[in-house]
Amino acid sequence: EDKVVQSPLSLVVHEGDTVTLNCSYEVTNFRSLLWYKQEKKAPTFLFMLTSSGIEKKSGRLSSILDKKELFSILNITATQTGDSAIYLCAVNRLTGANNLFFGTGTRLTVIP
Amino acid sequence: DTAVSQTPKYLVTQMGNDKSIKCEQNLGHDTMYWYKQDSKKFLKIMFSYNNKELIINETVPNRFSPKSPDKAHLNLHINSLELGDSAVYFCASSLKSVETQYFGPGTRLLVL
Repeated sequence: EDKVVQSPLSLVVHEGDTVTLNCSYEVTNFRSLLWYKQEKKAPTFLFMLTSSGIEKKSGRLSSILDKKELFSILNITATQTGDSAIYLCAVNRLTGANNLFFGTGTRLTVIP
Repeated sequence: DTAVSQTPKYLVTQMGNDKSIKCEQNLGHDTMYWYKQDSKKFLKIMFSYNNKELIINETVPNRFSPKSPDKAHLNLHINSLELGDSAVYFCASSLKSVETQYFGPGTRLLVL
């Protein structure tokens, strides 16, 4: 059975801390892995990763994929209160109705 | 300009009623989706649709039916609403079925 597992489920840190969010997956017909940030409303796209070992970076956020070990990490440095959100990992599969299969998310809370 | 929009934002209704949620995207995408997000924030695909093919997640009850009047719209019609249908429903779109998906703001449905 295909699955996407994120850890930790929730995390509370202080402003300025660095956090690492984990996503492991077991899916058939893997195509890519995506990270989304969800605050109060819609998930917003952060990164799409297709190749192992190539870091994607956007400001204080970065992410990398390991297709051999079947996981990805999302790093956030110098966290701010605005980073508080649920971070969703999703795997895009080549076929099937569930072509974007989500994990349960990590709830990050950044306190001042 | 809103890229993916949904109406209504909130919908409160009685069990047994029939309701529709509308979705429109102005991104020129050719594939649209409906997701259900439960109280635990787990996002699950319900349908994916482009102008050629409707793919239905087999776990979705047939009380749910997507209707697409044109490429920019994918509405969700729900018959005989049940308490368990209460959730947030997200519409999304992508350029192709394998590309990054962009989400609408969500419709919070409460069935009493």
